[in-house]
Amino acid sequence: EDQVTQSPEALRLQEGESSSLNCSYTVSGLRGLFWYRQDPGKGPEFLFTLYSAGEEKEKERLKATLTKKESFLHITAPKPEDSATYLCAVQTSSASKIIFGSGTRLSIRP
Amino acid sequence: EAGVAQSPRYKIIEKRQSVAFWCNPISGHATLYWYQQILGQGPKLLIQFQNNGVVDDSQLPKDRFSAERLKGVDSTLKIQPAKLEDSAVYLCASSLLADLDTQYFGPGTRLTVL
Repeated sequence: EDQVTQSPEALRLQEGESSSLNCSYTVSGLRGLFWYRQDPGKGPEFLFTLYSAGEEKEKERLKATLTKKESFLHITAPKPEDSATYLCAVQTSSASKIIFGSGTRLSIRP
Repeated sequence: EAGVAQSPRYKIIEKRQSVAFWCNPISGHATLYWYQQILGQGPKLLIQFQNNGVVDDSQLPKDRFSAERLKGVDSTLKIQPAKLEDSAVYLCASSLLADLDTQYFGPGTRLTVL
């Protein structure tokens, strides 16, 4: 069964304290992996798409990486405005299904 | 560029009642998605349209949920009759293409079933 698991469920960091969020997946073929940010009361906002193992993408303090089994979202020197829930999603090769993980709630203390 | 519009933003109904949600995607986007997001979980895809045709509705509870996109633009999602477990945020998203394309999400409709 296709599955996407994110860890940790919640993460509290001090401003400037770098860390990583994990998204592990078990799918019957990966077409692409997506990272989204979701603020309370809003819809998810697109961050990155990764297509193949070894690929990396960066945007401001965020960097996403992909291996054959998982993806990491690295956050460097975070600020309070980076507080949000970060969701990853995969699009599978079989029937191009889109499956979201449960997300990581990130809280950055000033 | 206007984003994805959804209405209503909030809805409270009694169980066994009916409810409908409306979505207007970004202009020119051929693909439209409806998701259900239960509190504390990630979005679950209910149905995907390509223009006015259904691409994937494998996770849509067809005994009570229905969706249509008659002219390939706006879409409505209906629940009839609602159950307590349908309480969730219903998100609409659109993308220009169907495959591996960025999805743009609306603000969602928060449904509470009492």
